[in-house]
Amino acid sequence: SQQGEEDPQALSIQEGENATMNCSYKTSINNLQWYRQNSGRGLVHLILIRSNEREKHSGRLRVTLDTSKKSSSLLITASRAADTASYFCATDAYDYKLSFGAGTTVTVRA
Amino acid sequence: ETGVTQTPRHLVMGMTNKKSLKCEQHLGHNAMYWYKQSAKKPLELMFVYNFKEQTENNSVPSRFSPECPNSSHLFLHLHTLQPEDSALYLCASSSGTANEQFFGPGTRLTVL
Repeated sequence: SQQGEEDPQALSIQEGENATMNCSYKTSINNLQWYRQNSGRGLVHLILIRSNEREKHSGRLRVTLDTSKKSSSLLITASRAADTASYFCATDAYDYKLSFGAGTTVTVRA
Repeated sequence: ETGVTQTPRHLVMGMTNKKSLKCEQHLGHNAMYWYKQSAKKPLELMFVYNFKEQTENNSVPSRFSPECPNSSHLFLHLHTLQPEDSALYLCASSSGTANEQFFGPGTRLTVL
């Protein structure tokens, strides 16, 4: 069953701008993960944040987690054309299965 | 390259055919997964194997039959599929079922 829901469904930004997308979920989680998928390809793991963490950075990516609001955000700074992809959040609700949202499609215009 | 390979990359089959999808991981992981990705839908978990044992069958129809002969290989045997089974089938692996997953490039399946 779907646990995470991303918002917005689609996002179009100019190269160099920041992109922010959000994920909301329903039940308690062990960890939350963000993945990227280029068109028609497999998913690539970006970052994992555990339930006892509030913020995590990896290069141009910043992820926050608010367990009281059951939400997470992914920020991509100084976007590039290569960041054009779909981004998915996935939650592990202590049952060791990942539940994926429907994703946010990000288009970075040159 | 993620260390997870899938073959074939594309497959077109009729409803009466029998075919198999293959997944291989070179990462030393113990858990492997099959997912189905249909257009405009979230990724659907189909099967989970942990140390070659099936730990999850997410109410998948019996026309999909998984096989995991060892921790590095995972198969999905297909027979008498329906057109609505057309989708991208993704294989993934992880070092533990609560950790990050590494995905293969997927098999684009079309059922005529």
